[in-house]
Amino acid sequence: AQSVTQLGSHVSVSEGALVLLRCNYSSSVPPYLFWYVQYPNQGLQLLLKYTTGATLVKGINGFEAEFKKSETSFHLTKPSAHMSDAAEYFCAVIRRGAGTALIFGKGTTLSVSS
Amino acid sequence: EAGVTQFPSHSVIEKGQTVTLRCDPISGHDNLYWYRRVMGKEIKFLLHFVKESKQDESGMPNNRFLAERTGGTYSTLKVQPAELEDSGVYFCASSQGSSGAYNEQFFGPGTRLTVL
Repeated sequence: AQSVTQLGSHVSVSEGALVLLRCNYSSSVPPYLFWYVQYPNQGLQLLLKYTTGATLVKGINGFEAEFKKSETSFHLTKPSAHMSDAAEYFCAVIRRGAGTALIFGKGTTLSVSS
Repeated sequence: EAGVTQFPSHSVIEKGQTVTLRCDPISGHDNLYWYRRVMGKEIKFLLHFVKESKQDESGMPNNRFLAERTGGTYSTLKVQPAELEDSGVYFCASSQGSSGAYNEQFFGPGTRLTVL
């Protein structure tokens, strides 16, 4: 069965610091990979996704993620954190050829201090 | 264009009562999904509609949960009778396109259900 592991339920950074949110997946077949963000009182919003092609994927708000097959990872980064980045972030996968339901990690809450 | 909307935003009921959650997808989206997040756990898939048909209901926890999508527009998720472990946030998402192909899922803000 597929699973998604997000290391760290809570990450704290200072404004301007590097943001690194970790995500590892288990799948016998490279899946489609996603990062979603949830701001307070809002629905989940897609930050970026990897389906095929270039393994470094750029998303909205300056975020990017790199698919590393050998490490089964899809870590999310942003060079310089902004206060508005404070939110909960979810890594998710869809197994190719096995429907379209998303399988989520437990989420990582990002706090940004001034 | 309006996003995915869910009603109510919050619901507090007692164990044994019935609750019905509603989701209005983005207009024209054939795919509609229900997910649930129990406190402290990951968001889990419940079921997937393509138009009015249930494509995948493998995530439905038990027969106390009934989902419908009459006419292929809005969907309802009924919990009857509600149990304490049903508390959580219920998300709805919709996407374009035919089943089997990946299309971005757009999420609603969720309904927070509390069963006392």
